Amino acid sequence: IAGITQAPTSQILAAGRRMTLRCTQDMRHNAMYWYRQDLGLGLRLIHYSNTAGTTGKGEVPDGYSVSRANTDDFPLTLASAVPSQTSVYFCASSDSGYNEQFFGPGTRLTVL
Amino acid sequence: DQQVKQNSPSLSVQEGRISILNCDYTNSMFDYFLWYKKYPAEGPTFLISISSIKDKNEDGRFTVFLNKSAKHLSLHIVPSQPGDSAVYFCAARWGGNTDKLIFGTGTRLQVFP
Repeated sequence: IAGITQAPTSQILAAGRRMTLRCTQDMRHNAMYWYRQDLGLGLRLIHYSNTAGTTGKGEVPDGYSVSRANTDDFPLTLASAVPSQTSVYFCASSDSGYNEQFFGPGTRLTVL
Repeated sequence: DQQVKQNSPSLSVQEGRISILNCDYTNSMFDYFLWYKKYPAEGPTFLISISSIKDKNEDGRFTVFLNKSAKHLSLHIVPSQPGDSAVYFCAARWGGNTDKLIFGTGTRLQVFP
């Protein structure tokens, strides 16, 4: 693994189903983030984690939850998916004290 | 309320010419600004950044200008190349001890031969 990986690459999901998007980084970065990208709205922060064991809410956290059990993994869970959660989801990481965030390749999620 | 705005959703430039992408922000607490480039089906990649204590930063063909009084920054690409065709996002960081970024809505740049 080099950088950030996300899984799955894409998913079609029925409304009401539970879904977990996976994110793993091998750069030993302290901070990790989840964004969603929607046309005309850019990238919006869903949740973040400054370090393992801590998480925080971003701009659009409703309907999503995260956990940070260790440094490398930062899964994003949709407990009961709704069509408005159809989007492209990007995971990112950064080293504390540095401003640049490194992004994964994204997960395209469609909720029907 | 969009705190970081990119008012031009698209820009078309001829190869070899200058591309100028603009970004406006509303929050004077932002202390660091970044530009990201995104190709289809890929994640954004970091391009160039500037601290609020500077007014210019240059890296090869890419230069970012910051006008704090106008709350405006711009990315200049000279000369533009077809491989520069992508969506460009500007982002701003809150001051203080946070690494959170606020992104603009993006500008799609097309460089044609």
